[in-house]
Amino acid sequence: GAGVSQSPSNKVTEKGKDVELRCDPISGHTALYWYRQRLGQGLEFLIYFQGNSAPDKSGLPSDRFSAERTGESVSTLTIQRTQQEDSAVYLCASSVGTGGFDTQYFGPGTRLTVL
Amino acid sequence: AQTVTQSQPEMSVQEAETVTLSCTYDTSESDYYLFWYKQPPSRQMILVIRQEAYKQQNATENRFSVNFQKAAKSFSLKISDSQLGDAAMYFCAYRTSQGGSEKLVFGKGTKLTVNP
Repeated sequence: GAGVSQSPSNKVTEKGKDVELRCDPISGHTALYWYRQRLGQGLEFLIYFQGNSAPDKSGLPSDRFSAERTGESVSTLTIQRTQQEDSAVYLCASSVGTGGFDTQYFGPGTRLTVL
Repeated sequence: AQTVTQSQPEMSVQEAETVTLSCTYDTSESDYYLFWYKQPPSRQMILVIRQEAYKQQNATENRFSVNFQKAAKSFSLKISDSQLGDAAMYFCAYRTSQGGSEKLVFGKGTKLTVNP
């Protein structure tokens, strides 16, 4: 596609429910990243996928958070038993994955509101 | 761990004037990459400009330029001839040059208002 796409654009859920957020990277990009942006804050790294390598999960805040990616395609971020502090914008980015001066291209994000 | 600090939560500038946004970072590495991203109300993060630490020459992209002071660990963004469309949140970001750790470390951002 022309750019990184994410769905849904907005998600409202009740505390305790599970949610799935989807990211479609730019075609041909082997690297994919998830970030979280709380209100008025910068972006916090969550997880990074590079090709078929083991993902870097060092940014996941708890075991309620998980993410999957099949090959070099779509990724899904899952939050189980959502809490109010999970409310944030979740941004996905992709890059060519060549390392060096690789530029990350971002999607428009999913705004998650946990009531 | 690396940290990025943007000390100006908000800045304003008159249209056609010049404004400088500050960014400092902390790292023990000698080679790394620095970025400025713009985030308008649409939430889409847009790359404005980037700099490689081993290059002493300051990067320039049209009206946007940086003042990279490696010893001071400073990476400020200068916007010349400010336009209404420049109004947005601006984030400074750091990335290590070491392979296998490609994440960006962001500052908290500066909200830029452009007054007509």
